[in-house]
Parts: sequence; C-alpha cells; structure tokens
Amino acid sequence: GENVEQHPSTLSVQEGDSAVIKCTYSDSASNYFPWYKQELGKRPQLIIDIRSNVGEKKDQRIAVTLNKTAKHFSLHITETQPEDSAVYFCAASGYSTLTFGKGTMLLVSP
Amino acid sequence: SQTIHQWPATLVQPVGSPLSLECTVEGTSNPNLYWYRQAAGRGLQLLFYSVGIGQISSEVPQNLSASRPQDRQFILSSKKLLLSDSGFYLCAVREKGSYEQYFGPGTRLTVT
Repeated sequence: GENVEQHPSTLSVQEGDSAVIKCTYSDSASNYFPWYKQELGKRPQLIIDIRSNVGEKKDQRIAVTLNKTAKHFSLHITETQPEDSAVYFCAASGYSTLTFGKGTMLLVSP
Repeated sequence: SQTIHQWPATLVQPVGSPLSLECTVEGTSNPNLYWYRQAAGRGLQLLFYSVGIGQISSEVPQNLSASRPQDRQFILSSKKLLLSDSGFYLCAVREKGSYEQYFGPGTRLTVT
C-alpha cells in the first residue's frame, strides 16, 4: 500500500519567515495530495490540495508543489503569522482512502 | 456543502464497557464515510471506511467495529473497551466523484 513520509516533525520559525514542509509518497498511482491544518483540540481542516496533473498551486500565503517523477510534494507558507502555529498533515490518495504523513508541528514565534 | 455531526463530543468510559459513537452527515447523498482515530500527539489512523450502506472495509484489526445502517449514518462500536482505545475519534466524508475529504468535529474518548 501507499506510504507517506513527512519532514520535519517539528519546525520553529520567527514571525514573517517562510516555512516549508516536505512529503514523499511511494505509490505512483496516487493522484491527489491534500494538506490539512489541525489546531490544538480541533479537527483537521483542508487548507490546500493539488492533483497529479498540476505542478504548483497557490492560495494567498500558502502554496503546494508536486514533483511526480521524484514522488514528493511540499507545502510552502510565506510571511508566517502566530496563527499559523498548528500541526500540518500531508496525505496521498489511493482509490478510496487517504494515507497521511505523521504530521509537522509548526511553531511561529512573535 | 455537507455538514458532519458527531456525538457525543466527549466521553469517559471504564475499561471493559461498551462503546457507540455516531456520525451523521447532511447535505450530500451516498458519500464515502471514514472513521479515524488520533492518539494524543499522534497521527491519523484510518480504522474503517464505507462506500455505501452496509459496506464496511476495515483497515486495522482491533476490538472495534463499524456499521452503516443508513446512507448518511456511520457508527463505531466496541463490546469491551481497552485503555488503548483512548483517543480522538474523527468521522470524515468524501462525496462520490470528488477528491476532497472533510472531517467532523470529533469525539474525545478517555478510557479509565
């Protein structure tokens, strides 16, 4: 089955800096790659996603890039703010289910 | 867009007691439904998913079971809870023909 590796497990940045979280996947048949943000005690929220026919997608301060050849994709957050502090999960989609990475705790210091 | 309800929001149960968690969905028909568990400080573990009424796929062998008695109702059960069953239980929905998957508000279960 699919295996998703996510790095780093923890990322600390200063407010205004950029943050990058990277994921790799194993199944070349995966074709959908979402990112979720989970604040403490709350449900994961879908923040951005990308399909395998697209190389990059942006939404304001966040962007996702996909390299199908290398089987890796990344989340980029620019101009980080304290409210960006949360756990971020990447995932890759098979036929019916998502396989999640183990998560990255992002800490943004004022 | 769909709305996902889960109850109860919080539950404290003794070891060996039964469990029933319910998830209902509004605003969509015949969705894919999923149960995940998240242990404290950990990732998202897929427990069960269903593509239709009465159709359940199990991802991890355990003392839990799931049922889908109605199109938009998904139930997670156990006959006897273990301490290791403690966690945050999340129901998720994906509409047929769509890629996006959305999570419900979750049930926080503590087994004592």
